[in-house]
Formats: sequence, structure tokens, C-alpha cells
Amino acid sequence: DIQMTQSPSSLSASVGDRVTITCRASQSISSALNWYQQKPGKAPKLLIYAASSLQSGVSSRFSGSGSGTDFTLTISSLQPEDFATYYCQQSYSTPLFGGGTKVKIK
Amino acid sequence: EVQLVESGGGLVQPGGSLRLSCAASGFTFSDHYMDWVRQAPGKGLEWIARIRNKANSYTTDYAASVKGRFTISRDDSEKSLYLQMNSLKTEDTAVYYCARAYSRGDYFDYWGQGTLVTVSS
Repeated sequence: DIQMTQSPSSLSASVGDRVTITCRASQSISSALNWYQQKPGKAPKLLIYAASSLQSGVSSRFSGSGSGTDFTLTISSLQPEDFATYYCQQSYSTPLFGGGTKVKIK
Repeated sequence: EVQLVESGGGLVQPGGSLRLSCAASGFTFSDHYMDWVRQAPGKGLEWIARIRNKANSYTTDYAASVKGRFTISRDDSEKSLYLQMNSLKTEDTAVYYCARAYSRGDYFDYWGQGTLVTVSS
């Protein structure tokens, strides 16, 4: 079975910071990697699909990159509304989410 | 506007059963794979079940944690998704989300608001 390892599990950052979250698959998943944002008490929201495609309506400060086993979600300039938990999810086989990264205010 | 509205959650004793429903609107329900994803309190997201569309014979997949206990089903005429949960355990306590899968399950583009299931004596 494919395993997804997301890091870090949490980070503290300031408004305006560039933030990078990584997700590693235990085997190649091509570009079948998606990123979601979840705020407390809310359903997840799709940000990035197919590793690097921005979902319609999502701010361009979010970007994704990678293929194979190593993937990155980047927030170019952190905004107050970006403090949330982020999850990667592979769709190469049976869906599987990473453990999540909580982005906190420094 | 795409909407997914879950219902049926509540408090149930260990070993009990519960049936969740998800009412869909704003899109051609019958075209899409549909999934259930859950989130235990303070924990991450866990995919638990998928049902494909008619073109793919309504085939299903389950996570190991629920296989043999949970059954996913759909009624395309009612635009509804269901999750029958039997032999519930305390570790099944979670918010349960239904989610629409894009294309052949490439990603989850719409989610319901979730319904809380609490398994406790």
C-alpha cells in the first residue's frame, strides 16, 4: 500500500511569510497528488489538483509542484485567512490523505 | 450551485448501527463517483468508502478499517448517497463527510458540511 508522509506536522509563520509544506509518497504516484485546506469546524477545500493545477477560485498565492514521490505546496505570502490545516491526498490508487500540516500564527 | 447535505448522524452504542445519507443537488449526480471521508475529533482526514457510477457498474471500495462493517450505496433517481454502518466501535466516532469525486476519482472537488457520529455507551 502507498503511504503518504507530510511534513512538518505543524509550523508557525507570520503574515507575509513564504510557507512550504512537503508530501512524500512511498512509491511513485506520477502527478496524482492533491492539496486541501481545512479550517476548524469546516469541510476541507480543494486548493491544488494533479500536483500543480490551481482549483478555480483559489488564490494564486497557492502553488503546487512535484511528481513521482516528492511534492510541495507553497504559499507565496501568507495571509491571515491562510492559517489552517493543509492535507495532501494521493489519487493514484485508493484515496489516502497525508497526516496534515497545521499552519499557526507566530 | 453544487450542494451536498449529510444527515443521519447521532449517538449510538458500541455494536449498534446507523445509516448516513447525503443529498446532492446542483449537478448530474449519476455521472459522478461519490465518497465518504471521516475525521475523528482532533485527527486528520480518513477516506473510508467509494462508489462508482453506473458506467463503472457501481463498484465499491472500502478502507480496511471499515470493510465488512460499512456499506456504501447510492440512489441516482433520488440523487442520494448512503453509508450503512454496522457493528460500530468507539473508534468510529468522527465527523463523516460525503464528497464528490471529479472524473474517475481524481480529486474531491465538493464536500458536504459533515455529520457527527458518536459511538459511546
